Amino acid sequence: GAVVSQHPSRVICKSGTSVKIECRSLDFQATTMFWYRQFPKQSLMLMATSNEGSKATYEQGVEKDKFLINHASLTLSTLTVTSAHPEDSSFYICSARDGSAASYNEQFFGPGTRLTVL
Amino acid sequence: AQKITQTQPGMFVQEKEAVTLDCTYDTSDQSYGLFWYKQPSSGEMIFLIYQGSYDEQNATEGRYSLNFQKARKSANLVISASQLGDSAMYFCAMREGGAFGGEKLIFGQGTELSVKP
Repeated sequence: GAVVSQHPSRVICKSGTSVKIECRSLDFQATTMFWYRQFPKQSLMLMATSNEGSKATYEQGVEKDKFLINHASLTLSTLTVTSAHPEDSSFYICSARDGSAASYNEQFFGPGTRLTVL
Repeated sequence: AQKITQTQPGMFVQEKEAVTLDCTYDTSDQSYGLFWYKQPSSGEMIFLIYQGSYDEQNATEGRYSLNFQKARKSANLVISASQLGDSAMYFCAMREGGAFGGEKLIFGQGTELSVKP
């Protein structure tokens, strides 16, 4: 099946710094990527939908200026958490849609990035 | 309003027995898809099974089957012959719209399954 990678898998940073998380589709072109946030023992909450070459669509309540999303190519989307604070500590997961696949299972998930802000 | 509801925060099952994880959904779309994912402690999301709203047969994938009751808007996951490795969080999710639309997934709250030896 299609593979999606995320980097880094874990990151610890100081409060006030910015952190960039990369999401890559390794063997397919991802026309759309999705970014989720998950707190311990809770569900995945969609943060934004990212389409290649256009601005991301953010879900209600998600701060656009705090969570910057860039989908500059068909295989890479990045999420930058700006001026991170301890409450931003969470598990961030991306998924990618294979634009060429005529399949119901068109979203493939990355392994996630665990962010800890001290 | 909650679109996907999983009412069982935690479930226990004896190894080799079957277990049913509940999921109900709410949508006004005629065309939608229902998914089940497994999330072990490592965090990765593992796709288990899919059911389309127009599928007449219940979906099956190995030990996993989906008990789809459209009129009741339920899509329960049945795991047969539970194994210790089945211990994980299980999420039900729904995608509204057409099969190839690529619309976002809405997830339920999850059920933590523990398999006892």
